[in-house]
Amino acid sequence: NAGVMQNPRHLVRRRGQEARLRCSPMKGHSHVYWYRQLPEEGLKFMVYLQKENIIDESGMPKERFSAEFPKEGPSILRIQQVVRGDSAAYFCASSPKTESNEQFFGPGTRLTVL
Amino acid sequence: DAKTTQPPSMDCAEGRAANLPCNHSTISGNEYVYWYRQIHSQGPQYIIHGLKNNETNEMASLIITEDRKSSTLILPHATLRDTAVYYCIVTKETSGSRLTFGEGTQLTVNP
Repeated sequence: NAGVMQNPRHLVRRRGQEARLRCSPMKGHSHVYWYRQLPEEGLKFMVYLQKENIIDESGMPKERFSAEFPKEGPSILRIQQVVRGDSAAYFCASSPKTESNEQFFGPGTRLTVL
Repeated sequence: DAKTTQPPSMDCAEGRAANLPCNHSTISGNEYVYWYRQIHSQGPQYIIHGLKNNETNEMASLIITEDRKSSTLILPHATLRDTAVYYCIVTKETSGSRLTFGEGTQLTVNP
């Protein structure tokens, strides 16, 4: 059973461009979470999604950031008009629909904004 | 989620037990103690979790005090590959709960 997959692993964008980060959860997992880790800082929750639904987006910046988890395909974290402060490692995690908060994390996407 | 307090860093000799403490004095009755670790730049990895009884798995043991206000993660025979930041997280045990990562403990295992 393959683990959580994220691509690309590294992404370089210039200020003002768009960044699209993809996350494929583990097989059978219906819950997806996105976290961000700024340089020299801890991991911060951004958003929690189930198929076709955003359940908790309380950690998402109000502007430029959006997330989706369509019926088919990977979850996408989209950042419009990137700025240098968006440079960070973005981790996706998934969990099955069980009574446990064990989340399985992907390797992360490292976004660098020039 | 209840706040947790961990020492910022600890050292351990290879082959010895590593005991990582965590204080969570405001934990509520329906909250569990979870431990994750992050090996340099990798995604966090689940280690173990518990409610009030001690727990053991192939990676570690978790000792929770009777009043549940603190806990200790034990790596019985630390190896160099156990060098990582260890996070103690208090959260409800329901899928869909966010994980609130603090600053964790940087464990360095020395040869």
